[in-house]
Amino acid sequence: DQQVKQNSPSLSVQEGRISILNCDYTNSMFDYFLWYKKYPAEGPTFLISISSIKDKNEDGRFTVFLNKSAKHLSLHIVPSQPGDSAVYFCAGTNNNAGNMLTFGGGTRLMVKP
Amino acid sequence: GAGVSQSPRYKVAKRGRDVALRCDSISGHVTLYWYRQTLGQGSEVLTYSQSDAQRDKSGRPSGRFSAERPERSVSTLKIQRTEQGDSAVYLCASSPPPDRELAYEQYFGPGTRLTVT
Repeated sequence: DQQVKQNSPSLSVQEGRISILNCDYTNSMFDYFLWYKKYPAEGPTFLISISSIKDKNEDGRFTVFLNKSAKHLSLHIVPSQPGDSAVYFCAGTNNNAGNMLTFGGGTRLMVKP
Repeated sequence: GAGVSQSPRYKVAKRGRDVALRCDSISGHVTLYWYRQTLGQGSEVLTYSQSDAQRDKSGRPSGRFSAERPERSVSTLKIQRTEQGDSAVYLCASSPPPDRELAYEQYFGPGTRLTVT
């Protein structure tokens, strides 16, 4: 049973437009959510996070929205740039569980020039 | 400073053999995690250890997977009697001390791709 799901395996967006990556979770014990970005042959790198007590966190071109009632979060990238092309993973964690991350399956974002 | 590094980057092992994967974490980080990443299924945590603990705390208990912490910033994941289903990318991650504001964030190494034949 996957606790974190990213239902879109891939997404293609034109440069300059908004990219919206979605993530759903089932574990109501998660108290923190993170987005990671991964390039081929590299490990995931931290992108942005949000505490479960917030509904939005913004950092430059990246904004994460959390809808706790729907157990849904999304990552918005605007404007999208070709260098954003990568695989994006969302993850949930719980401080009482050693902060182990539970990842979704990832969404491959392709930003076309 | 230096990030998290892992060695080897690629490993081919015959089924039934034991393998050891090394992770060098960021200085000052206290918790080390091992994840297994399979294509399209995200990553599952295998084990993690805090501080200098030599014993691992298994995220998913499995007799064949164990981690040792020979040094504060070094972890070795050992897989006994490898199976073909163990073929995956093994990621090591470390996180700052719990009292730090960014304690939730984990910093990942590049991974070791293990192929069991």
